[in-house]
Amino acid sequence: GENVEQHPSTLSVQEGDSAVIKCTYSDSASNYFPWYKQELGKGPQLIIDIRSNVGEKKDQRIAVTLNKTAKHFSLHITETQPEDSAVYFCAAGARMRFGAGTRLTVKP
Amino acid sequence: DTEVTQTPKHLVMGMTNKKSLKCEQHMGHRAMYWYKQKAKKPPELMFVYSYEKLSINESVPSRFSPECPNSSLLNLHLHALQPEDSALYLCASSHIDLGNEQFFGPGTRLTVL
Repeated sequence: GENVEQHPSTLSVQEGDSAVIKCTYSDSASNYFPWYKQELGKGPQLIIDIRSNVGEKKDQRIAVTLNKTAKHFSLHITETQPEDSAVYFCAAGARMRFGAGTRLTVKP
Repeated sequence: DTEVTQTPKHLVMGMTNKKSLKCEQHMGHRAMYWYKQKAKKPPELMFVYSYEKLSINESVPSRFSPECPNSSLLNLHLHALQPEDSALYLCASSHIDLGNEQFFGPGTRLTVL
């Protein structure tokens, strides 16, 4: 079945540093790879996504890279700010299975 | 309007009760979803409606009964739930199917006593 692994489970960085979260997936038919941010008491919110015909996508401080051969994609956040602190989920597969999540803490 | 609304925000029910969760969107999306999220876990897909028809049921127990009265509304009817069903229930919608950005509601926090 579909499997999505996400690492690390927790990540703590100093404000201004970069953060990288990686996901691997098993469904080779996957063609859509979103990243969601979930803050306490809220539903997940899409922050960036990428499709399989693109290798990299950027949106200001956030970027996603995709390696279809290796079946992994990564979220890159530069110049982190305290408001980036949240749980981040990747997702992949025909049934959009979510990774286990990464709790990011940005220390001022 | 890019909002998905869910009611109620919180719900406490006994194992013999019948209750319903409601979800609404006015973005013209034709796909709507129910997810279950336990504490410190990712959302787990339960049901997918596409063009008001149930297209995916992820082997969810029959004590959960979804309904899509029209393209803007999605309900989840609950009956004879178990304490382990306590969780955050999230509704989401997207343009056509799972291969598109999903917009999530804030969820209903359900506690089964």
